[in-house]
Amino acid sequence: DAKTTQPTSMDCAEGRAANLPCNHSTISGNEYVYWYRQIHSQGPQYIIHGLKNNETNEMASLIITEDRKSSTLILPHATLRDTAVYYCIVRAYSGGGADGLTFGKGTHLIIQP
Amino acid sequence: KAGVTQTPRYLIKTRGQQVTLSCSPISGHRSVSWYQQTPGQGLQFLFEYFSETQRNKGNFPGRFSGRQFSNSRSEMNVSTLELGDSALYLCASRLYSAIYNEQFFGPGTRLTVL
Repeated sequence: DAKTTQPTSMDCAEGRAANLPCNHSTISGNEYVYWYRQIHSQGPQYIIHGLKNNETNEMASLIITEDRKSSTLILPHATLRDTAVYYCIVRAYSGGGADGLTFGKGTHLIIQP
Repeated sequence: KAGVTQTPRYLIKTRGQQVTLSCSPISGHRSVSWYQQTPGQGLQFLFEYFSETQRNKGNFPGRFSGRQFSNSRSEMNVSTLELGDSALYLCASRLYSAIYNEQFFGPGTRLTVL
């Protein structure tokens, strides 16, 4: 799996957009970018994933650069409940396989009131 | 639809004992994965089961084992517990045929080894 690099921590004011960067310069053509988050003492929660096009769902938007070497997760209107560790994971399609996800250290996002 | 459930939520054991943790996946999900989370090592993949068969295994010693039942429920067992086994053990389920690795995690079992 491609290695990812994320800032250790970030702050964001409540109500503002939180933009979380992720570098994955060694990503392969068949690898997707996934984002999960883990709120303190809970299990990780899937947020969004993408291959090369920008994606949006009810939780967030994912912007992937044209060369696919980096991406940004955007939480459009951050709330205090968005305080969590956010993990960027790069992984190949695994429909028939049974491989575990490789979680790095992630970014600790702190939403300030 | 009910989420992934894990029992027990908290457990205290002493060194040398063994422990069994249980996981019930989301209804219809046939794949169950187990992860260990510690402050030092972060989230690490233990193993995944599908159709009662272990499909892949992380880099953990043989003291860590698991199984899956015909109803997709899974158990993991740790024998001869060591202090370093103190961790949050997370179970995740997914649709086996999913095109992406969207996994749904349970709340975890926090194991403390004294």
